Amino acid sequence: AQRVTQPEKLLSVFKGAPVELKCNYSYSGSPELFWYVQYSRQRLQLLLRHISRESIKGFTADLNKGETSFHLKKPFAQEEDSAMYYCALLPHNRKLIWGLGTSLAVNP
Amino acid sequence: DVKVTQSSRYLVKRTGEKVFLECVQDMDHENMFWYRQDPGLGLRLIYFSYDVKMKEKGDIPEGYSVSREKKERFSLILESASTNQTSMYLCASSLSGGGYEQYFGPGTRLTVT
Repeated sequence: AQRVTQPEKLLSVFKGAPVELKCNYSYSGSPELFWYVQYSRQRLQLLLRHISRESIKGFTADLNKGETSFHLKKPFAQEEDSAMYYCALLPHNRKLIWGLGTSLAVNP
Repeated sequence: DVKVTQSSRYLVKRTGEKVFLECVQDMDHENMFWYRQDPGLGLRLIYFSYDVKMKEKGDIPEGYSVSREKKERFSLILESASTNQTSMYLCASSLSGGGYEQYFGPGTRLTVT
């Protein structure tokens, strides 16, 4: 079955600490994976996609096919990173499969 | 800059009413989507459309219908609103091919009493 799992509903870290938001997927083909973010009172927006291998706002995510993971990482969390983060998988039928989201709270 | 707009930010309706949620995008995107977002349940796809007058059911289409008469507009219809349809509704659009970024509207928070 095609599935995206974000094991943490809530993640709380202190400002300046490293942060890792976990995402595991189940998919038999070659996956296309994304991270979307929703800041408070803002619309959901794309943060990054694995095929572009870019770093946005200091966040990176590496696709690990062996572990079927696409964890989102940032070495030093900032208070403005507090948001809801969704991992998503794009299968062949082109309808995104979403994880349930992780709420990140960065404390001062 | 892509703009996806939704007709209302907040809506309160009574059980049994017919409800229309409108979404308009200005970037000539082929694909449009309706999701509902509930705490602990993430985003669930209700319907999507890949062209004018074309639609496909998502994961939770029961109790909903859609209309896409023009490329820029995608409407979600609740034929007879029920309290379990109280939710945040998000509209999104993207270019065709599916691999492209989905652009989201601000959402409509619907309360059915």
